[in-house]
Formats: sequence, structure tokens, C-alpha cells
Amino acid sequence: QKEVEQDPGPLSVPEGAIVSLNCTYSNSAFQYFMWYRQYSRKGPELLMYTYSSGNKEDGRFTAQVDKSSKYISLFIRDSQPSDSATYLCAMSAPKAAGNKLTFGGGTRVLVKP
Amino acid sequence: EAGVTQFPSHSVIEKGQTVTLRCDPISGHDNLYWYRRVMGKEIKFLLHFVKESKQDESGMPNNRFLAERTGGTYSTLKVQPAELEDSGVYFCASSPGFTSGANVLTFGAGSRLTVL
Repeated sequence: QKEVEQDPGPLSVPEGAIVSLNCTYSNSAFQYFMWYRQYSRKGPELLMYTYSSGNKEDGRFTAQVDKSSKYISLFIRDSQPSDSATYLCAMSAPKAAGNKLTFGGGTRVLVKP
Repeated sequence: EAGVTQFPSHSVIEKGQTVTLRCDPISGHDNLYWYRRVMGKEIKFLLHFVKESKQDESGMPNNRFLAERTGGTYSTLKVQPAELEDSGVYFCASSPGFTSGANVLTFGAGSRLTVL
């Protein structure tokens, strides 16, 4: 079983719709949760990171973490064609327990004009 | 501020040959990481340098892979001899450390390796 599960998609939505992405994980040591966006032939670009449980909002993006369910989400409001990319969740344990990132497989998102 | 730079962007070699990938991290970043994505799989950790020292190399697949970080600046990842299963995209990332509590990595564009 993978440590982090993420639906590969593709997820196709019309412009202006809300994009809903999520990951589940099995390692209860994870405390830092990140969402990366990756365009074709580019490296992952950090969108948001959150620590432990709760919500975080940044512009059109909202990240949610539910540690009790081992479930994290990313919502993109008012989606634009430029949001079409692969979205990767990533997680890490605190420094003392190791600081490498564990990634989900990524969800491909297509926003249609 | 320049980002993380990787070279080459794409390398095609034959099985048994040697390839060396290079990464120039963001200036001042003590932490340097190598990750790899093989076809159809998730991005996986290979190793972590703090300055010139290997902090964690638990993700290195086998002894055909050798990573160095000369003087704590740029890093190289050499694959010798290359095998077909080594094909994939090799990402380098760097971070300044844990000043904010989180280890926020900045990734390069990746070096795509194709072994024929």
C-alpha cells in the first residue's frame, strides 16, 4: 500500500468552476502538508503548505487538513485555463523524524474555457 | 533570485553507459535534495545533503548511483553503469532550512534521463 494515495484523474472542469483535489495518507507521523503544481516539462512549484490540522486560504486556493481522517484537500475557486496542470500533494514528518517529502502520484487537472 | 538549475534537461544514453546530472541550488541554501520520478510512479526521495555532507541517502536505489556536493555548492548525481529502469526524471530541490518550522523546497525543472 502506498503511503500517500492520490487520484490520477484527469479531472476536467469548465472555467469558473471549483476544483476539488484530495489525498489520503497512512503515516500518522506526517505533520507538514504541501500542495505543488507542476506544468508539463517543469518542476513542481509550491502552492501552499499547512502544519497539522486546519484550513489555510491564499487567494483562490484553500487547503484543508484533517489529521483524524488522514485526509487533505485543495480547493481552487474560480478556476482558469491557466490552472490546467498536475497537482501533487506532499507530506513530511517533523525534522527529528526525517524531513524528506513523500509525494502522491499527482492529479491532472484540465480547465476548459 | 535565480532558481534551482539542472543540467542537462534531457539525456539519452545506452544501457551500460555513464551519465552525470548536475544541480545548482539557490544561493545560500544549505539543503539540497535529489528526487526521481519514473514512468507511472510518484516522485520519490533519493538523498539529502546539508552543505557538503550526506544527511540521508536512504532513497538511493543501489551503488550504481553516486551523489556528490562539492564544497557545499552544486551537486552531481552520477549513474554508472546505467540500466533501463533508471529512465525517468531526476529533480533537484533546495531549501534554506527549518527557520519557519516547515521544510519548504524549491524544485528545479528536472533532468529527463532515457536509457535505451
